[in-house]
This record gives sequence, structure tokens and C-alpha cells, in this order.
Amino acid sequence: DQQVKQNSPSLSVQEGRISILNCDYTNSMFDYFLWYKKYPAEGPTFLISISSIKDKNEDGRFTVFLNKSAKHLSLHIVPSQPGDSAVYFCAASEEGGSEKLVFGKGTKLTVNP
Amino acid sequence: DAGITQSPRYKITETGRQVTLMCHQTWSHSYMFWYRQDLGHGLRLIYYSAAADITDKGEVPDGYVVSRSKTENFPLTLESATRSQTSVYFCASRRDRRWGQNMNTEAFFGQGTRLTVV
Repeated sequence: DQQVKQNSPSLSVQEGRISILNCDYTNSMFDYFLWYKKYPAEGPTFLISISSIKDKNEDGRFTVFLNKSAKHLSLHIVPSQPGDSAVYFCAASEEGGSEKLVFGKGTKLTVNP
Repeated sequence: DAGITQSPRYKITETGRQVTLMCHQTWSHSYMFWYRQDLGHGLRLIYYSAAADITDKGEVPDGYVVSRSKTENFPLTLESATRSQTSVYFCASRRDRRWGQNMNTEAFFGQGTRLTVV
């Protein structure tokens, strides 16, 4: 059973507009959530994270929102740039666990010039 | 250079052969992981390790063996490769979180090994 779900395999937006990537989770023991960005032929790179004690974390153009009651998080990219085109993975880890990250299947973002 | 490196970057092997993928990190992170990436499945955990000589299974461990005799190395071995193990493999490392101090950390990934089993 998938504990982290990214239900949109792909998303296409215009340059300068907002990109919103969504992620849902089922395990209520998850306490830390991360977004990774992946370009072809490269390893995933860390983008932004949020602890379960917060509901928002911002880093430049990237903001992550966490809604614990809905078990939902989202990544907002404003403004979107062509260089943001990549696959974005949502990940979660569990306090008291093994530090392993559980990943969603990813969303491919395409930002059109 | 500091970081996490995987070798080889690309490997073609035959069905039934044993193959080992190497992973080395220079941060002395306690935790190391092996993931595989397949279309439609995202990143799935194969094995992980909390410290030297401590390993445990992840979501898809069948057909794989790991060892961790030193903190910095975490090799992944396919004992008898099958075509279903054709994939891109990623190694990652992560330092400890300190419970109660709200010190969260990310995992760092290697550049990946593309393995093809023919």
C-alpha cells in the first residue's frame, strides 16, 4: 500500500506562473516531509522540507504547505522558470523510525517559455 | 571530493551474473540507503543501514544483498541478476536526527548507476 501518493504524473505551466505540486500521505506517524527535484541522468537533489510542527516553510521561490488533518502537502513554485522543468518527488520519514525516506512516484513538471 | 559517489555509472550484465554496485560517502553519515527508480514506481527502498554492520530490508529486497563493514561504504550486490533488476539505482546517506531537538535533515543522493541486465 502506497504511503506517499503523488496523483498527478505530470504538470505543465507557463513561465512566470505558479506551479502547484501535490502530495498525500497515509501514515500518521510521518513527522518530516521533503521535496526532491530530479533532472534526467542525475540523482535527486533536496529542494525544501517541512517538519510536522509547522504548516508552512518558504525558501525563495519555493514554499511547502502542510495540512496535517488532511494528510496533504503541496509545493508552490512562484514564479515558475523553464529551469524548474524536472521530476519532483515528495518524501516522508517517521520519527523513531530508521531515517528512511518513503517516496511518492513523482510529478514531471514542464515549464513552457 | 566530499560527497557521495556511486560506481559504475553504467553497467550491462548478463542474466545470472553477480554484480556489485558501489557507494561511498565522505560525510560519515550514520544512515545509508539503496533505492531503485523504475517508470511508474518512483523511488523504492531496497535496503538501508543505520551504522556499520547494521542493515535491514526495505520495500523490495528480494534478489539483493548488502554489507556495511565501514561507515563510508555501502555496496549493493545482485547475486544472480535478472532482467527485472534492470533499473537505475541510487545510493543515499543521511545523518542522525537528534530526537527532541527538532533537528531534521535531508538525505543526499549519488548520481545513480544505470544497470541493464540482458
